[in-house]
Order: sequence, then C-alpha cells, then structure tokens
Amino acid sequence: NAGVMQNPRHLVRRRGQEARLRCSPMKGHSHVYWYRQLPEEGLKFMVYLQKENIIDESGMPKERFSAEFPKEGPSILRIQQVVRGDSAAYFCASSQGQGGAAEAFFGQGTRLTVV
Amino acid sequence: GENVEQHPSTLSVQEGDSAVIKCTYSDSASNYFPWYKQELGKGPQLIIDIRSNVGEKKDQRIAVTLNKTAKHFSLHITETQPEDSAVYFCAASMKNQGGKLIFGQGTELSVKP
Repeated sequence: NAGVMQNPRHLVRRRGQEARLRCSPMKGHSHVYWYRQLPEEGLKFMVYLQKENIIDESGMPKERFSAEFPKEGPSILRIQQVVRGDSAAYFCASSQGQGGAAEAFFGQGTRLTVV
Repeated sequence: GENVEQHPSTLSVQEGDSAVIKCTYSDSASNYFPWYKQELGKGPQLIIDIRSNVGEKKDQRIAVTLNKTAKHFSLHITETQPEDSAVYFCAASMKNQGGKLIFGQGTELSVKP
C-alpha cells in the first residue's frame, strides 16, 4: 500500500512563473490537506479538500493560490506568478473517514525554490 | 482559532536518557493530539496520537499524556537512541474542523551517543 505520493520532489521556478504541485492520497483516503513549511518553521495549514470539494481554505493566501481535488486524478496545488516568498516545502497529507479526528499521513513534500 | 505552543525548541540528551517535549493548546474544543517526527528532507511521520477521552497512551519507548483541564499534552521518549534525533511536532485538531491540524513550532531533538 503506497503512501501519500507527491511530485515533483523539487521544483525550481523563476519569479512570475506558475508552479503546480501534485498529491496522490493513500489508497482508500478521500480527504486531502495541504500544508506549507517555511525554512526552520512549523507546518501551516493551507487547505482541506475532499473529492471535487474545498472544505476549508482558511489558510490559503487570497491571491495566486488555488487547489483542487478532481473526481479522477491527484490533488493539485497551483501557485500563479510565483514570488521569492513562496519558496518553501509544501506537504500534502491524507486521511480516511468522515473527517474529524482521523490519522493524517504525510507525503515527502515538494520543495519549491523561486529564483 | 486554535493556537499550539511547543517547548523546548531544542533539546539535547545523552543516549539512554529520557526526553520530554511539552505542548499547550488554547481551544478546549480540540479533541485529537498527534505527534509527528520529521527527519531532514523528509515529510512528517505520525509516531503516536491521543484523543481527548484518554489521559495517557504508550507505544514501546514512546508515551503521550494529556491534561484536558490544563490544556496541555506531552511526549515522553525513554531510552533515547541516536536515531531518535529529529524534529518533533505536536498538533491539535477539532472534530468540527475535519482533520485540519494546528501545529506547534517544533522541537529539534539531538541524542548524543
């Protein structure tokens, strides 16, 4: 049973380009969460999605960031017109169940560098 | 909203000693408290968790305690080994907010052989 799969592991973008980060949840998991980790800081919640629905996006910046979890395929975190401050590690987690206090398992992350 | 404070930020122990990391949370509606271990360049790994209807949980050398009245919970690692060296994060979650986790700032544990 494969764990949470994220790709790419490393992504370099020039300022103004778009970044697309992908996350495939664990088999049987229908809840996906995205977190951002700045260097030497903790993880900050960004968005919580279920299939075709955004449940909670209270941690998403109001501009340039969007997320989706389509009926088929991985969840995508999209950052438009990247700036240097977007450089961070982005982690995806997944869980099963009806929401609530279910164990969340993390992927290895995508390390975005904006040059 | 929920706020989680974690202490200490760094902890150095000798191999074989015990390590204790403490967290406090602000919202009494939080009911799930996981702990994650993060090694350099890797994603957080769930090592133990506790729910609000339990005061203590143990798994081999790792134990977690929860004091709901004081709103704090702690991670205890006994007989530490060099491979325990990593950054440890506590987190809190509320049932009515899905699985959204609020993380502490992390503790960098160093176990010296």
